[in-house]
Amino acid sequence: KAGVTQTPRYLIKTRGQQVTLSCSPISGHRSVSWYQQTPGQGLQFLFEYFSETQRNKGNFPGRFSGRQFSNSRSEMNVSTLELGDSALYLCASSAGDREKPLHFGNGTRLTVT
Amino acid sequence: AQKITQTQPGMFVQEKEAVTLDCTYDTSDPSYGLFWYKQPSSGEMIFLIYQGSYDQQNATEGRYSLNFQKARKSANLVISASQLGDSAMYFCAMRVTGNQFYFGTGTSLTVIP
Repeated sequence: KAGVTQTPRYLIKTRGQQVTLSCSPISGHRSVSWYQQTPGQGLQFLFEYFSETQRNKGNFPGRFSGRQFSNSRSEMNVSTLELGDSALYLCASSAGDREKPLHFGNGTRLTVT
Repeated sequence: AQKITQTQPGMFVQEKEAVTLDCTYDTSDPSYGLFWYKQPSSGEMIFLIYQGSYDQQNATEGRYSLNFQKARKSANLVISASQLGDSAMYFCAMRVTGNQFYFGTGTSLTVIP
């Protein structure tokens, strides 16, 4: 079974630009979550999608948005990039059962200059 | 409020020795799950072990075991017979109702040959 796939692996953008990150979950997983990881703040929850609906949302500004498609693939968009948005963005999928873990992708390393 | 606390920013262990990584949690949810993840320098998050709040026995997965003390709200990870490949960041996480995950700030483990 293929794991969680995130594209691209690396991105370099300029302040003010926007970026879209993509995530393909494990086949059969309907829940997809996004996390931002930085050295200073650790892992911070962005949002979770389940069956195309945003089910949970973290404490991030509206510049961060996401969506999920009918095939469970998800995209995350960040508009008007700021230097502080430089981070590793991790996508995770899960089967939804309480005892089932999150399965993470390798992440997208975003650098904003 | 939901919170995961890892108080050890960094730990060192001699190869082949056992090491305990601390994790305490706080939740008012009666039903929750506790997870440990390993993040090597390459960035991917690897699921190690799970403990449910109603599980009577401590979870074990190969060289990993989870020392679950519900009354103390602690879920420490024990790695037996440490190997050089165990050097990584380790994150404790908690899942509560609504599929919301909370992560600790992590512990950096270095295995010394």
